[in-house]
Amino acid sequence: AQSVTQLDSQVPVFEEAPVELRCNYSSSVSVYLFWYVQYPNQGLQLLLKYLSGSTLVKGINGFEAEFNKSQTSFHLRKPSVHISDTAEYFCAVTINQGGKLIFGQGTELSVKP
Amino acid sequence: GAVVSQHPSWVICKSGTSVKIECRSLDFQATTMFWYRQFPKQSLMLMATSNEGSKATYEQGVEKDKFLINHASLTLSTLTVTSAHPEDSSFYICSAPGQPQELFFGEGSRLTVL
Repeated sequence: AQSVTQLDSQVPVFEEAPVELRCNYSSSVSVYLFWYVQYPNQGLQLLLKYLSGSTLVKGINGFEAEFNKSQTSFHLRKPSVHISDTAEYFCAVTINQGGKLIFGQGTELSVKP
Repeated sequence: GAVVSQHPSWVICKSGTSVKIECRSLDFQATTMFWYRQFPKQSLMLMATSNEGSKATYEQGVEKDKFLINHASLTLSTLTVTSAHPEDSSFYICSAPGQPQELFFGEGSRLTVL
């Protein structure tokens, strides 16, 4: 079975500062990895995904993530955050493209002015 | 990108009544859809996999008779919460695999049982 651990439940950061949201996964088989963002009372929006190829993945809104197989990690980064980035962020894993996703516990990013 | 729509977005019902939530893929067909449940400040927990034309596959610990899932067409899956109780109050989100091979999520449906 697969599992995902997001190491930080809350990350407060000041506007224009860099941020890293950490994600580690566990799986005995190859996986596909995703980061989603959720605004209050809304569904999920895909930020980026790793399916294969380059381990550095660039997504929307200036976010990027790096797949590290040896460390089983897929940390999300942004060099300069905005107030509008305040939201809940979820890391997710699947063993089948288009298959069911297993989610991490979520990280609440709070950007302060 | 592909669009998944849920209805209703908000529903309030009395304890003991049943509530139906619809999930539609608007511009693509989906033989499979996934239903998730999310409690406040918590992650999404997969409840079941909806399969078009056949029975849904439920995750361990999810009551099949409580959460009825029907996938009658390639664009519609429904989740019916039967005899709802306050502990069923939650945010329910559906998703469907579209192209290119990723899951698209509905806007979610917030159920409040009084």
